[in-house]
Amino acid sequence: NAGVTQTPKFQVLKTGQSMTLQCAQDMNHEYMSWYRQDPGMGLRLIHYSVGAGITDQGEVPNGYNVSRSTTEDFPLRLLSAAPSQTSVYFCASSPDYPTNEKLFFGSGTQLSVL
Amino acid sequence: GENVEQHPSTLSVQEGDSAVIKCTYSDSASNYFPWYKQELGKRPQLIIDIRSNVGEKKDQRIAVTLNKTAKHFSLHITETQPEDSAVYFCAASLKTSYDKVIFGPGTSLSVIP
Repeated sequence: NAGVTQTPKFQVLKTGQSMTLQCAQDMNHEYMSWYRQDPGMGLRLIHYSVGAGITDQGEVPNGYNVSRSTTEDFPLRLLSAAPSQTSVYFCASSPDYPTNEKLFFGSGTQLSVL
Repeated sequence: GENVEQHPSTLSVQEGDSAVIKCTYSDSASNYFPWYKQELGKRPQLIIDIRSNVGEKKDQRIAVTLNKTAKHFSLHITETQPEDSAVYFCAASLKTSYDKVIFGPGTSLSVIP
């Protein structure tokens, strides 16, 4: 099993551009989530999903959209990138539905918005 | 919503000494408290977790204690080794319709050989 796969690993955007961060898992996990990691602020939850067709907001959802059309994929969309969205983004999934506790993380995407 | 605080933000210890990291949480309904370790440039990985019906849990050189009354929990690492150097995150599972895992800001641990 590949686990949780994120692409791309690095990305540079200009302010106002849009892009999609990809996340896929092959462990048949129902729960998937997106976090951003900033220095001194830990991991902050952006959006999460408890199954195909179901998504909800986390702590910092503004500026991001998600969808979950399949169990495997959970893409994160930045509609109009801003410098404040410069961060490292982690996708995570959990086998422990419905408690969604033990998280398996992807390797991260380092995003810079100029 | 849930808020998790973590102290200290940085910690340096001599190899072989013990390290203690403390966290507090705000939502008394939270009942699951994991700890994640993140080595430089790597992804966070779960190292130990504890549930609210348990006061202490050990796994070799690491242990976690929980005081639900005071709403705080701690990570203890004994006989520290250089490979313990990393950022450690505590977290609490927020009890809503679906659990959300909320993280503390992290502690950067350096073990000096």
